[in-house]
Amino acid sequence: DTAVSQTPKYLVTQMGNDKSIKCEQNLGHDTMYWYKQDSKKFLKIMFSYNNKELIINETVPNRFSPKSPDKAHLNLHINSLELGDSAVYFCASNPGSGGISGELFFGEGSRLTVL
Amino acid sequence: GQNIDQPTEMTATEGAIVQINCTYQTSGFNGLFWYQQHAGEAPTFLSYNVLDGLEEKGRFSSFLSRSKGYSYLLLKELQMKDSASYLCAVPHAGNNRKLIWGLGTSLAVNP
Repeated sequence: DTAVSQTPKYLVTQMGNDKSIKCEQNLGHDTMYWYKQDSKKFLKIMFSYNNKELIINETVPNRFSPKSPDKAHLNLHINSLELGDSAVYFCASNPGSGGISGELFFGEGSRLTVL
Repeated sequence: GQNIDQPTEMTATEGAIVQINCTYQTSGFNGLFWYQQHAGEAPTFLSYNVLDGLEEKGRFSSFLSRSKGYSYLLLKELQMKDSASYLCAVPHAGNNRKLIWGLGTSLAVNP
């Protein structure tokens, strides 16, 4: 059983389209994250939810909208895709609520290519 | 502000020992993480140091000096599969719900 799973793993789409990436964790963790890793390999946090509540919202274009229907799921919707959105998007979870507790568990990543 | 510095690239030979350094500046300290990331894969946890000293875990050890703002990851008996990027991270001083990541050190292990 994969602890943190995200779909799709690969996504190729045209500029201007809208797409979603889904993430689910079966670890019972309270906190989930979305990270973006660009071609320079820098891991940039985008959003975090704690038990369905948005707790981190970094400087991200409002074309990106996260949604957490329950604490085991965190989805990322991207409107009007741009070339610069091409990256690998990682979902992660952590058991901590008030702060990071122990390691982050990452999903396998979703590689988005915008043409 | 907070900052993390790591060498960009390192090369080593199979069977050797390599030390990957990480220096950080932070107004508050809540531990330091090391992660390994193979090309095309997700980062995986290696170690977490919160107290000074060396922690050994098999072929990998991690050292921390809080007074110097310095950590290193020591990899012994290098294997080809250790070729990967090694990422250093610390919790954000103002919001310890998020990590500040280094850019990673890309290690190439040659035969």
